[in-house]
Amino acid sequence: DTAVSQTPKYLVTQMGNDKSIKCEQNLGHDTMYWYKQDSKKFLKIMFSYNNKELIINETVPNRFSPKSPDKAHLNLHINSLELGDSAVYFCASSQGGLVSDEQFFGPGTRLTVL
Amino acid sequence: GNSVTQMEGPVTLSEEAFLTINCTYTATGYPSLFWYVQYPGEGLQLLLKATKADDKGSNKGFEATYRKETTSFHLEKGSVQVSDSAVYFCALSISSGSARQLTFGSGTQLTVLP
Repeated sequence: DTAVSQTPKYLVTQMGNDKSIKCEQNLGHDTMYWYKQDSKKFLKIMFSYNNKELIINETVPNRFSPKSPDKAHLNLHINSLELGDSAVYFCASSQGGLVSDEQFFGPGTRLTVL
Repeated sequence: GNSVTQMEGPVTLSEEAFLTINCTYTATGYPSLFWYVQYPGEGLQLLLKATKADDKGSNKGFEATYRKETTSFHLEKGSVQVSDSAVYFCALSISSGSARQLTFGSGTQLTVLP
């Protein structure tokens, strides 16, 4: 069983479109995250949700909107896609209670904006 | 603010060579420290961690010691294998209110040649 799954794995779209990436975890974790990995492999936190409540919102354009229908799902919706949004997006989850908690990552979604 | 500085890559070694990847950090408070590994085309997975000063994390022949006096968490392995080829990320986690977020270094690409 996949612990953290993301769909789709690849997403190719035109500038200006709206797209969504879905994430699900079956680990029973309380906290979920979205990270963006750029072409140089640099990883940066975008959002974090704890029990469906937003707790981290880094400086991300408001074209990006996370949605958490329940604590096992954290979807990422992106409006008016731009070339600079091309990256690999990773979802992750953790039990969330301690700074020492391991984060479990999904396989990533490679978004290419043309 | 919190930050992680990692040795720049890429690093290329022959099989059975000794590996060191340097990592230093800046943090306000008492972070937990992690090494994550990303194999080609996959998400990140935890390699090892240490939660307090002088702790040594170890896994799969890799080890790293949490050095508070030098704010470092260098990754070492005595004899690398071709299968260790991957990108290695040093990271810290620290509490900020109810949030626990990972701050990553820039990643170090390791290639091990047979």
